[in-house]
Amino acid sequence: GAVVSQHPSWVICKSGTSVKIECRSLDFQATTMFWYRQFPKQSLMLMATSNEGSKATYEQGVEKDKFLINHASLTLSTLTVTSAHPEDSSFYICSVGQGMNTEAFFGQGTRLTVV
Amino acid sequence: GNSVTQMEGPVTLSEEAFLTINCTYTATGYPSLFWYVQYPGEGLQLLLKATKADDKGSNKGFEATYRKETTSFHLEKGSVQVSDSAVYFCALSYGNKLVFGAGTILRVKS
Repeated sequence: GAVVSQHPSWVICKSGTSVKIECRSLDFQATTMFWYRQFPKQSLMLMATSNEGSKATYEQGVEKDKFLINHASLTLSTLTVTSAHPEDSSFYICSVGQGMNTEAFFGQGTRLTVV
Repeated sequence: GNSVTQMEGPVTLSEEAFLTINCTYTATGYPSLFWYVQYPGEGLQLLLKATKADDKGSNKGFEATYRKETTSFHLEKGSVQVSDSAVYFCALSYGNKLVFGAGTILRVKS
């Protein structure tokens, strides 16, 4: 399967600052990547679909100006949490899918804590 | 719409006990079905999958059979180990997206 690397694995930032999370597909050219958010002891919530060379597609209720996604190459997507607030603290996970109705491969996740 | 329902946890078992985690789904069409496992502080790892009715996915002693008639994909393992303690997610695919169940915490005691 695909190898997906996320960086950083954890980050602590002050309220009002922005944080960038990188998701790299190390051995697979991904035209599409996915960003999820996971609250403690809860399931994954799909935030957006990152499309290489075009705008991301956001799920209903996700603020696109708050969570900026850039997918500039076939191996890298970034999620920037802008003007972070404590309620943005969460576990963010990216994934790469390898086609229709096939499995996804996940990064190790990024724990964001906003203080 | 598409949805996945898992049994609530946590499930607490003794080592070598038999494990069943129930999963049922609602879907339009014929999705592929997956079980993912998440260890503390980590991302998700694919445990097993099935792509059509009556398929059985298996890996590391875990098994699940795609039952179209009961829209189920229950996870089973004959003898659990402490190292199996984790959160288990059932999921289905539609197109290139995944829908996850709420997750079931499994705790195995020695």
